Amino acid sequence: QVQLQESGPGLVKPSEILSLTCSVSGDSVTRGDYYWSWIRQPAGKGLEWIGRLYTGGSTDYNPSLKSRVTISVDASKNLFSLTVKSVTAADTATYYCARERDLGFEGNWFDPWGQGTLVVVSS
Amino acid sequence: DIQMTQSPSSLSASVGDRVAFTCRASQFISNYLNWYQQKPGKAPKLLIYTASKLQNGVPSRFSGSASGTEFTLSITSLQPEDFATYYCQQSYTAPRTFGQGTKVEIK
Repeated sequence: QVQLQESGPGLVKPSEILSLTCSVSGDSVTRGDYYWSWIRQPAGKGLEWIGRLYTGGSTDYNPSLKSRVTISVDASKNLFSLTVKSVTAADTATYYCARERDLGFEGNWFDPWGQGTLVVVSS
Repeated sequence: DIQMTQSPSSLSASVGDRVAFTCRASQFISNYLNWYQQKPGKAPKLLIYTASKLQNGVPSRFSGSASGTEFTLSITSLQPEDFATYYCQQSYTAPRTFGQGTKVEIK
């Protein structure tokens, strides 16, 4: 059974860097046919896709966040990470990591998801 | 970016009711549309992928359909555990985008 678990500080000061990791068990972050993704959700609001990392290290980012976001992988620890720089209160959200299945013409979908971690940006 | 618009934003229903709600894409996305269920304080859970395929373990009272750029999630015989918020998501292109959600509440 594949499981994802987010971890990182729950409080970040404005203008500083938000860093989260997603530990993966039951699968390998180097396995093909999958993207490893980050999605966030402000309290009481909808879901926003942040970006994804593919086997081999290639990445895609949401253009709305691209200038501030980096997603990277540590294959030796079987985890991937999210970094958001120059954070503001608007970055306060629950952050989820998720695996995106890529079956080409058969479609892509997010499953499973981590349980989520709340990050508050405040001084 | 492809905009996903869900309607209604909320609905009230009773246990045993049949409910349906829609998601409209701002442009062609083929059948690359997924549905998720989210309960308070929990991560979203995949219900339907590629418009109409039921994820393993999801009850058969859930079904999805598509007509052009409009997609529908139907729940027959609503159960107490089905009261939640439902999100659609397009996987046609990046950036991936989600609808704003439909909240199913108890009448």
